[in-house]
Amino acid sequence: KAGVTQTPRYLIKTRGQQVTLSCSPISGHRSVSWYQQTPGQGLQFLFEYFSETQRNKGNFPGRFSGRQFSNSRSEMNVSTLELGDSALYLCASSWGAGLAESEQYFGPGTRLTVT
Amino acid sequence: GDSVTQMEGPVTLSEEAFLTINCTYTATGYPSLFWYVQYPGEGLQLLLKATKADDKGSNKGFEATYRKETTSFHLEKGSVQVSDSAVYFCALSGAGYALNFGKGTSLLVTP
Repeated sequence: KAGVTQTPRYLIKTRGQQVTLSCSPISGHRSVSWYQQTPGQGLQFLFEYFSETQRNKGNFPGRFSGRQFSNSRSEMNVSTLELGDSALYLCASSWGAGLAESEQYFGPGTRLTVT
Repeated sequence: GDSVTQMEGPVTLSEEAFLTINCTYTATGYPSLFWYVQYPGEGLQLLLKATKADDKGSNKGFEATYRKETTSFHLEKGSVQVSDSAVYFCALSGAGYALNFGKGTSLLVTP
């Protein structure tokens, strides 16, 4: 069974631009979560989608947004990029129940560099 | 709010040494607790979990026990291998669908 895939794996953008990252969950998984990983802040939760609805959102500015499609694939968008947005963005999928019952499987991440 | 504190390392051990990585948490209610591992250039993998007090999670020789009285979930392994070199993250999940991670502990095991 294919794992969680994220595209692109690496991305270089300039300050002020916007970027869209894509995540394809494991087949059958309906929940997709996004995390930002930086050396300073560690792993921080961005948002989680289930059946095209955002169920949970972390403490990030409105420049960070996401959506989920009917096939469970998800995208996240960052507008007006700042240098501090440089990070590894991780996507995780699960069946959709609470995390005690439903393991999250992580993708390899998209490394975003903002110059 | 909920938070996780773990020793940041790096931790350097010789092969076959005993490993302990400390993790303590602050949370309202009764969270589930997890240990994730991240190998170089890869995403996170669930190593083990515990969903209620006194539960012991175990996998690949690693163990951790959910201690409510000390709000801890320390990771242990009796004999580490070079292949265990990675970054280990302690995490908790409350009532929502998000994981709250510690800063991670880098482990290097030398032959």
